[in-house]
Amino acid sequence: DSGVTQTPKHLITATGQRVTLRCSPRSGDLSVYWYQQSLDQGLQFLIQYYNGEERAKGNILERFSAQQFPDLHSELNLSSLELGDSALYFCASSRLAGEQFFGPGTRLTVL
Amino acid sequence: AQTVTQSQPEMSVQEAETVTLSCTYDTSESDYYLFWYKQPPSRQMILVIRQEAYKQQNATENRFSVNFQKAAKSFSLKISDSQLGDAAMYFCAYRRNTGNQFYFGTGTSLTVIP
Repeated sequence: DSGVTQTPKHLITATGQRVTLRCSPRSGDLSVYWYQQSLDQGLQFLIQYYNGEERAKGNILERFSAQQFPDLHSELNLSSLELGDSALYFCASSRLAGEQFFGPGTRLTVL
Repeated sequence: AQTVTQSQPEMSVQEAETVTLSCTYDTSESDYYLFWYKQPPSRQMILVIRQEAYKQQNATENRFSVNFQKAAKSFSLKISDSQLGDAAMYFCAYRRNTGNQFYFGTGTSLTVIP
């Protein structure tokens, strides 16, 4: 158990819909990262927050947005969903130095 | 920009044998971290080993060890006495010491043959 929690574990929805994925980082970790992993693909970095502020942006679509709240949990919002958005979405957290710890992921299926 | 390259998309090893996974990276920094993560079929991302660039000694965690060649910007993972449970996708990752962003390679899929 990495200490990073993600909800829900699975999400099935239809094209055009909007969903919210939630992440709680490890206690004491101020940085939260979001990644997308499609089937048999590598990790695509989406976005990073540090103590409530956006720090880095990767290949995140305009239909996607995220935020980090004062209690440090983070939410990733995906809207106008398309079939190609079906993937495993990981949240990870870290301290100022050292490794990332990953949550178990949310498996999103868009039908 | 930092890049991480894993040139072996797939590797296989006989059970109980040794295998080495390659990783190279590009950076102008002198102080940074390197990691290997394992992603088994469950798809959970698990940290295998980490190396601080300022440390000359190669990191070791039980059957897992690295060969860190700083001048060559190479960071390979050696798995000794391979076990069936080692079958997974392995990702190499880089992080600047003072930075926040992590950079991942594209992964190497390891098959362990009984």
